[in-house]
Amino acid sequence: DAKTTQPTSMDCAEGRAANLPCNHSTISGNEYVYWYRQIHSQGPQYIIHGLKNNETNEMASLIITEDRKSSTLILPHATLRDTAVYYCIVRLRFISNFGNEKLTFGTGTRLTIIP
Amino acid sequence: DTGVSQDPRHKITKRGQNVTFRCDPISEHNRLYWYRQTLGQGPEFLTYFQNEAQLEKSRLLSDRFSAERPKGSFSTLEIQRTEQGDSAMYLCASSFRTSGSGETQYFGPGTRLLVL
Repeated sequence: DAKTTQPTSMDCAEGRAANLPCNHSTISGNEYVYWYRQIHSQGPQYIIHGLKNNETNEMASLIITEDRKSSTLILPHATLRDTAVYYCIVRLRFISNFGNEKLTFGTGTRLTIIP
Repeated sequence: DTGVSQDPRHKITKRGQNVTFRCDPISEHNRLYWYRQTLGQGPEFLTYFQNEAQLEKSRLLSDRFSAERPKGSFSTLEIQRTEQGDSAMYLCASSFRTSGSGETQYFGPGTRLLVL
């Protein structure tokens, strides 16, 4: 899977949009971009994923650049409960029934929402 | 609650003891994964099952570790002769594998192990 690069930490004011960047310059056409977050002492929580089009769900928006070498996760109105470590993961699209199924986590971005 | 559940949530044991953790996946999910997470690091893959078949094991899974999923539903992860280096959070995730290209893993709350 392609390697991702994320800032170690970020702060965001409560009520503002939090924009979390991720670089994945070696991504291939068969790889999805996934975002998870992990609130302290809990298991990772799935947020969103995309291939090449922008995606939005009830939690966040995912903006993928046209060349797919970077993406941004947007939390539109950050709350204190959004304080967490956010992981950007690039993962192979289905190629077979076996292999390449694991998620490879980096160290993520520690997002702190400031009251 | 229909999410992934894990038991126990916390375990303290003495070095050399055996421990067993249980994971109950989301109903009808055919894939089940185990990960380990140490302080300050992201989760690391250990092993996964499709139904009852164990399809991949990481090199992190030494011979003291064994995982089972006997009927393709819940899974257990056993660590024999625990060492202090086994202290970590053990995470379980499940997903539904189809022939399509998308598969999202959903994680449980984890079991935090401390080996004294």
